[in-house]
Amino acid sequence: DAKTTQPTSMDCAEGRAANLPCNHSTISGNEYVYWYRQIHSQGPQYIIHGLKNNETNEMASLIITEDRKSSTLILPHATLRDTAVYYCIVRFPSSINQGGKLIFGQGTELSVKP
Amino acid sequence: SAVISQKPSRDICQRGTSLTIQCQVDSQVTMMFWYRQQPGQSLTLIATANQGSEATYESGFVIDKFPISRPNLTFSTLTVSNMSPEDSSIYLCSAEDRQRREQYFGPGTRLTVT
Repeated sequence: DAKTTQPTSMDCAEGRAANLPCNHSTISGNEYVYWYRQIHSQGPQYIIHGLKNNETNEMASLIITEDRKSSTLILPHATLRDTAVYYCIVRFPSSINQGGKLIFGQGTELSVKP
Repeated sequence: SAVISQKPSRDICQRGTSLTIQCQVDSQVTMMFWYRQQPGQSLTLIATANQGSEATYESGFVIDKFPISRPNLTFSTLTVSNMSPEDSSIYLCSAEDRQRREQYFGPGTRLTVT
């Protein structure tokens, strides 16, 4: 699985958009980009995933560059409850042998401040 | 999304004993995974547990230490055997919704070995 690089920490003002970057320059053609977050003392929470196209759901938007070597997770209106560690992960689909595994890096610690 | 529960939520165990952690999913899933999260660290994948086949362990984890059962499509157990203080961690299970390509996590089991 390709590795990802994320900033160690970021701050964001409450009500503003939080833009979390991720580099995955060695991503292969059939690897997906996934984002999870972990709020203190809880299990990781799925946020969003994508392959090539930008994606949006009720939680966030995912912007993937055309060359797929980087992506940005956008939380449009950050709240204090969005304070968490955010993990960007690339993985093969579970339909292939050894696929489906999530290999977690250190993530970005996002602090949303009032 | 799938709802995943784990038992016990926490336990304090003596060195040399074993603990079995249960993971229950509210829907049938093909793939389940077990992770460990040591204090202050990110998640590390222990093994992949598919129904009807033996678990596949990641480098550094062995079946004798972490035997896994997967008797049906909604349930799995992880046993931490012959425990030492170094096994003190949070153990998490996850389940893959193959159709949606989304993986969901349980709340974790906090294990302390004395």
